[in-house]
Amino acid sequence: NAGVTQTPKFQVLKTGQSMTLQCAQDMNHNSMYWYRQDPGMGLRLIYYSASEGTTDKGEVPNGYNVSRLNKREFSLRLESAAPSQTSVYFCASSDPLRVNEKLFFGSGTQLSVL
Amino acid sequence: AQSVSQHNHHVILSEAASLELGCNYSYGGTVNLFWYVQYPGQHLQLLLKYFSGDPLVKGIKGFEAEFIKSKFSFNLRKPSVQWSDTAEYFCAVYNNDMRFGAGTRLTVKP
Repeated sequence: NAGVTQTPKFQVLKTGQSMTLQCAQDMNHNSMYWYRQDPGMGLRLIYYSASEGTTDKGEVPNGYNVSRLNKREFSLRLESAAPSQTSVYFCASSDPLRVNEKLFFGSGTQLSVL
Repeated sequence: AQSVSQHNHHVILSEAASLELGCNYSYGGTVNLFWYVQYPGQHLQLLLKYFSGDPLVKGIKGFEAEFIKSKFSFNLRKPSVQWSDTAEYFCAVYNNDMRFGAGTRLTVKP
């Protein structure tokens, strides 16, 4: 059981380049999330998807787009990367219909924008 | 929008000292509350959670947290910390989405 799989693990971009971070979960979860983690700021929610076909902005959505391709996959796209987007990105999933609500995290993507 | 505040950015303790990490949240409705821990180089792991019932919840590794509704607080405690508790601790609140506090880095000196 793989859980939440994120790719790539590391990425270096130049300012203005674009890229897509991929996330897939095999737990049949309805909700998926993208967070960024920066020193001293904790995890900040970028976008989330409560169910297939829906997406909503979180705390820091500017400069990002997301796609909930199907129930398993939730991708995060940077159209024109900026140095301020240097961060560690985590995808997570959960099933809000279950009492045992908690997040399952991917292993993270370390992104550097030069 | 809901927000989560953690009062301490960095806490340094000696082994066997008692720990209390503060967490306050702003949302007034029904919330689910969590504490997560992140050990160096790893992703977040759930320590404990509160949904309803007894406001004193016990988690893994001897941690506990008390939900005080009137204070919008959910503080994390441990009576006696160990060197292996060195990590970053995050409080989180779930309503329609999951929001995290900025985290508290705990350093336990042997």
